[in-house]
Amino acid sequence: SQTIHQWPATLVQPVGSPLSLECTVEGTSNPNLYWYRQAAGRGLQLLFYSVGIGQISSEVPQNLSASRPQDRQFILSSKKLLLSDSGFYLCAWRREDRELFFGEGSRLTVL
Amino acid sequence: DAKTTQPPSMDCAEGRAANLPCNHSTISGNEYVYWYRQIHSQGPQYIIHGLKNNETNEMASLIITEDRKSSTLILPHATLRDTAVYYCIVTRYSGGGADGLTFGKGTHLIIQP
Repeated sequence: SQTIHQWPATLVQPVGSPLSLECTVEGTSNPNLYWYRQAAGRGLQLLFYSVGIGQISSEVPQNLSASRPQDRQFILSSKKLLLSDSGFYLCAWRREDRELFFGEGSRLTVL
Repeated sequence: DAKTTQPPSMDCAEGRAANLPCNHSTISGNEYVYWYRQIHSQGPQYIIHGLKNNETNEMASLIITEDRKSSTLILPHATLRDTAVYYCIVTRYSGGGADGLTFGKGTHLIIQP
């Protein structure tokens, strides 16, 4: 069966520090991968998606970047965090005409 | 993708059927209706989807009106664990397409004991 893992689950970082959130999918190949963010009290915002290794599409301009170094690995990064980067970050995957499957999320607090 | 309108919150008694409405009056003929839910501090979970016909699975039933301008998600016997935010999403692609799904604010369903 397919599984999706995100880590770390919780992160507290100072303003200006770097960020790296990692997501891996197991049990499938060539999935579409997604990063969403949910700020406190708000809906889910699609940040990035990828249809293959090295292929990244950005939905909104921001302080974050994404990379896909391997087929089932998706990384969300920042060189210098802002207070506004705080939120709940969710990785998701799908393959072909299937529904989205989400990870358990990573809660980032920037102080 | 068509826009959806949902009530911000609803209450339902435990053991009763929870009926969550969604309006999508601008839906196109090839657009699907998807429902997801998000329990607090967890990732969203797929519930059900449909195109024209009513659908049922182990979690819920989806009733789509004949003109497809609205739909209702039915949880037949709500439990406290069904308390969550429910998202109704309309998209052209079965599965959401390569560019993912757009989530609105959804309906916060609260199941009362």
